[in-house]
Parts: sequence; C-alpha cells; structure tokens
Amino acid sequence: DAGITQSPRYKITETGRQVTLMCHQTWSHSYMFWYRQDLGHGLRLIYYSAAADITDKGEVPDGYVVSRSKTENFPLTLESATRSQTSVYFCASRYGPSNTEAFFGQGTRLTVV
Amino acid sequence: KQEVTQIPAALSVPEGENLVLNCSFTDSAIYNLQWFRQDPGKGLTSLLLIQSSQREQTSGRLNASLDKSSGRSTLYIAASQPGDSATYLCAVRRGETSGSRLTFGEGTQLTVNP
Repeated sequence: DAGITQSPRYKITETGRQVTLMCHQTWSHSYMFWYRQDLGHGLRLIYYSAAADITDKGEVPDGYVVSRSKTENFPLTLESATRSQTSVYFCASRYGPSNTEAFFGQGTRLTVV
Repeated sequence: KQEVTQIPAALSVPEGENLVLNCSFTDSAIYNLQWFRQDPGKGLTSLLLIQSSQREQTSGRLNASLDKSSGRSTLYIAASQPGDSATYLCAVRRGETSGSRLTFGEGTQLTVNP
C-alpha cells in the first residue's frame, strides 16, 4: 500500500532488551522523522533524516539509534530499553525542505516492562 | 525555545454547532503551521497547512487562520458532526532547513454529541 507504514503496531518488551521499530514510506520523500508522544509532553522529535545516510538528533535522542541506508526506510532502535521509553512512537515523512506537509504513520505503541 | 499552547484542552459541543479551536505560539518567526487530527489509537492526519505568508486556508468545513504577529492560529469547524470527534493538534515549523522540526501543542480533545 502506498503511504507511510510502521511496524509493529504494538510491542511489549523487557527492560534492557534491544528493540527496533520499523518505518517505511513509498513516496520517496527525502525527509523522515521519529517522534514520541507522551501525556504532558505532546509529540517530541527523537531523530530526523534529510536523505539516505544523513541523520541528526532531535530533541530527545538519548537511548535511541537510527539508520537510513535506503530512502524509503528509517528504523529506530532502542539499544537497551528502559521503562521511560514506554510511549507511542510516530514516524513521519516530508517531501523536501520546501513548504510541504508532513505525513505521519499510524504509530507504534511500545511498552517496556 | 518555541512553545505551542492549545486551549481548551477539551471541548464538548452539540452536533451542528460552529466551533473554534485555538493555538498560540511564543516565537512568531515560523515557516508554516500545520493542523492535524488524531483519532484514538491512530496516527496523525494532516488537515491544513498554512504558510507564514498566508492568513488563512480552507478545506471543506474547516478554516484555519494565522496571525503571526500575535502568535496565534485558529481552526474553525463549521456545522460540527459526531465524526469530527477527535484530538486536534497544531504544530509550527520554525525554518526551511532540514532540521526545522515541527513543535506540537498538546491538542484539544473535541467531542461532538449527536
């Protein structure tokens, strides 16, 4: 299907485990983003990417790693999950630096126990 | 640091009513402002994008206005319907560069009662 898809939709993991959230978009958008959504904080940017092999930190990057070997994929890895990383994670993409809309995936609800 | 505030946090109205959702931001040097809708357990759906040079945008029953100088935007929903029930988020983008992320408000949870 066209658009931006995230997997898995729901994930429960244990503290200390590594977990990877996947994001795939079919528009060939240059820019991709990872946000987390928490009560009391709204959506906050974790990492973003301007193109394949170009990534940079956002507002709350600690404990997360990203990669972008292909334009269409932007996985987010929690190297050693902590309970504070329990959240809903959203991936987004945008065509370019110009005045265009950002489009969001359906989200991944991650629970760290 | 840009801060975005949405008031009220929750709003309940009867079907058919016209309503206004408010968004304010502290730094008026924005590139654009985007309104989103979020249904429970779902992702964000883009509703309207207003560029910094524009004063309003319309899509169907939705009209968004932007007053950069006062740091405010409003989303007007005409003839509200139960299907409009959702959380509405506004987000501002500071600049044109690749690192210019969206800064979000916490949203207004709208309930339209039949």
